Amino acid sequence: GESVGLHLPTLSVQEGDNSIINCAYSNSASDYFIWYKQESGKGPQFIIDIRSNMDKRQGQRVTVLLNKTVKHLSLQIAATQPGDSAVYFCAENHPGNTGKLIFGQGTTLQVKP
Amino acid sequence: EPEVTQTPSHQVTQMGQEVILRCVPISNHLYFYWYRQILGQKVEFLVSFYNNEISEKSEIFDDQFSVERPDGSNFTLKIRSTKLEDSAMYFCASSRDMMNTEAFFGQGTRLTVV
Repeated sequence: GESVGLHLPTLSVQEGDNSIINCAYSNSASDYFIWYKQESGKGPQFIIDIRSNMDKRQGQRVTVLLNKTVKHLSLQIAATQPGDSAVYFCAENHPGNTGKLIFGQGTTLQVKP
Repeated sequence: EPEVTQTPSHQVTQMGQEVILRCVPISNHLYFYWYRQILGQKVEFLVSFYNNEISEKSEIFDDQFSVERPDGSNFTLKIRSTKLEDSAMYFCASSRDMMNTEAFFGQGTRLTVV
C-alpha cells in the first residue's frame, strides 16, 4: 500500500547542534518529495524539495538527501535554532498526475536552549 | 509574498448541519486541493481539483463532501451533514503545476462538530 513514514516521532536537540529527521517511503515510482514544517496552529510550510533524479539538495541551513535504493529521505538542519521547533513532515508526490501529496506521520523537533 | 487564505479560522457546528469552508488560492495557480488533519495525526489528502472538475479524491471524500470554484478566486469545501468524526483541521492548498512543484498551504480551518 502507499505510505510515507517517519522513523522517530520526537527528536530533541540542543540549540546549535545539527538535526537529522528521517523518512521512509514505499512507492518506488514516486519522483518528487517535499519537506514541510508545521508550527502549532498553522498550515504546513514548504521547506525544501527534491526530484528523484537527484540525491542531494541544499537550501539555507537545510539539506535533503534521497536514497532511492532503500527508499529513504532525510532532512538535515544545520545549527538548529529555537525557531526550528515544529513538526516536520515528508510528503511524496503521488505518481498519478493529480498533484496529490502523501504525508508521513511527522516528527516533532524540540530545540533545547 | 502571495499566500493561500482560508476562512473562517474556526468553525463550530452541530452534528448534521452543513458547513462550507472557504479558500482563496494563490492567483496564478491552477491546481487546488483540500487536506485534513485530525488532531495529532498526519495530513491526509481529500481531493484535487483542476479545470473546474475533481481530478482525484480519496476514500474519505464521500458523498457528504463536495468542492466548488464558484468564481475566479474562491474554492470551497462543503460538508453536507457533519459527523463528529469530521472534526479536524482542514487545509486548502494550491500549486502552479500538478507535478514537481510545491503546494502552498493555507493556515487552515479548525472544524469542531458538537
